[in-house]
Amino acid sequence: QSALTQPASVSASPGQSITISCTGSSSDVGGYDYVSWYQQHPGKVPKLLIYAVHNRPSGVSNRFSGSKSGNTASLTISGLQTEDEADYYCSSYTSGSTLLVFGPGTKVTVL
Amino acid sequence: EVQLVQSGAEVKEPGESLKISCKGSGYSFTSYWIAWVRQMPGKGLEWMGIMYPEDSDTRYSPSFEGHVTISADKSSNTAYLQWSSLKASDTAVYYCATDSGTYQFDNWGQGTLVTVSS
Repeated sequence: QSALTQPASVSASPGQSITISCTGSSSDVGGYDYVSWYQQHPGKVPKLLIYAVHNRPSGVSNRFSGSKSGNTASLTISGLQTEDEADYYCSSYTSGSTLLVFGPGTKVTVL
Repeated sequence: EVQLVQSGAEVKEPGESLKISCKGSGYSFTSYWIAWVRQMPGKGLEWMGIMYPEDSDTRYSPSFEGHVTISADKSSNTAYLQWSSLKASDTAVYYCATDSGTYQFDNWGQGTLVTVSS
């Protein structure tokens, strides 16, 4: 069972914006700025979208943005496109022996 | 261009041993941590462990420690994940990924499907 929680699914129409939450605790999300977000299309390799809470790797669309407030990190996708339909995972550094944890994932559906 | 190329799919029986590989190229192999991530069929991502090839410093998730071994060969820029005794529950896709040291997985291998079945 993941120490991070995400909504199981989010859906919206093309062009709309959505926000996916990733809630942890002061031992992980709230205590460190090592939150990352990954996109995974069915049968494909995960892709890094956001690192260190709000930074985008080169080549990632600026429609993807990250933020954090307290123990909850968020990924916002603006101007939703059909190609954004995928699973999205957050991850965070965590104190103690576990070191790093992934969220359970959120399935994004473009209506 | 950073590339991680993993070994091919494996089909094994319970109790057998296995070692899968991940060969890095296009970057300084010893300067980046290499992580292993499991994805069971239809499930999410699970962090298994990580190694710094330069000094073999290795950390394991408690969920996997004692059941898998992570290693690396600096001379061939290759990281390994191995099992001494597979279980059916080890059936999954295993990914390797680079970590620049800030707990983000920048580059991923294509994944290795391991099927354990009698």
